[in-house]
Amino acid sequence: DSGVTQTPKHLITATGQRVTLRCSPRSGDLSVYWYQQSLDQGLQFLIQYYNGEERAKGNILERFSAQQFPDLHSELNLSSLELGDSALYFCASSVVGSGNTIYFGEGSWLTVV
Amino acid sequence: SQKIEQNSEALNIQEGKTATLTCNYTNYSPAYLQWYRQDPGRGPVFLLLIRENEKEKRKERLKVTFDTTLKQSLFHITASQPADSATYLCALDVQAGTALIFGKGTTLSVSS
Repeated sequence: DSGVTQTPKHLITATGQRVTLRCSPRSGDLSVYWYQQSLDQGLQFLIQYYNGEERAKGNILERFSAQQFPDLHSELNLSSLELGDSALYFCASSVVGSGNTIYFGEGSWLTVV
Repeated sequence: SQKIEQNSEALNIQEGKTATLTCNYTNYSPAYLQWYRQDPGRGPVFLLLIRENEKEKRKERLKVTFDTTLKQSLFHITASQPADSATYLCALDVQAGTALIFGKGTTLSVSS
């Protein structure tokens, strides 16, 4: 158990809909990361927050957004969903923003039908 | 463009042998490199970190080397066991203070 909690574990939704994925980082970790993993693309970095502020942006679509709240939990919002958004979405956390190991949650499986 | 390549998508070896996985990168100058293990449907789990000024790092049956001139890291599992079967990912910090970027991984299968 990494200490990173993600909900929901599984989610099935229709195209065009919007979903919110939630992440609670490990106790004491200030940095939260979101990654998307699909079979053909591997693990793709989406976005990073550090103590409530956006720190880095990766391959995140404009239809996706995220935020980190004062209690350090984070949410990833996916809107206007397309079939290709079906993937495993991971949240990870670390103590600081660089030079450290990151700890992954177990992921949220999103299926868009 | 920047790229991380793990040369083999799959590697099959017999129990007791040494598995060697390769990670190559281009157009990066990472301060450190990390290796993670991922089991199907699970989140990646950290194994080892090696810094740019370290040539080699060991942990139990695991060994990692880092050659910044060749832009390559090798990951070795000695005396491999079926329980070592998993996907192994290498990861780099592209820019200090930001997230890790991962290779696509090599899936190792150890047969008894």
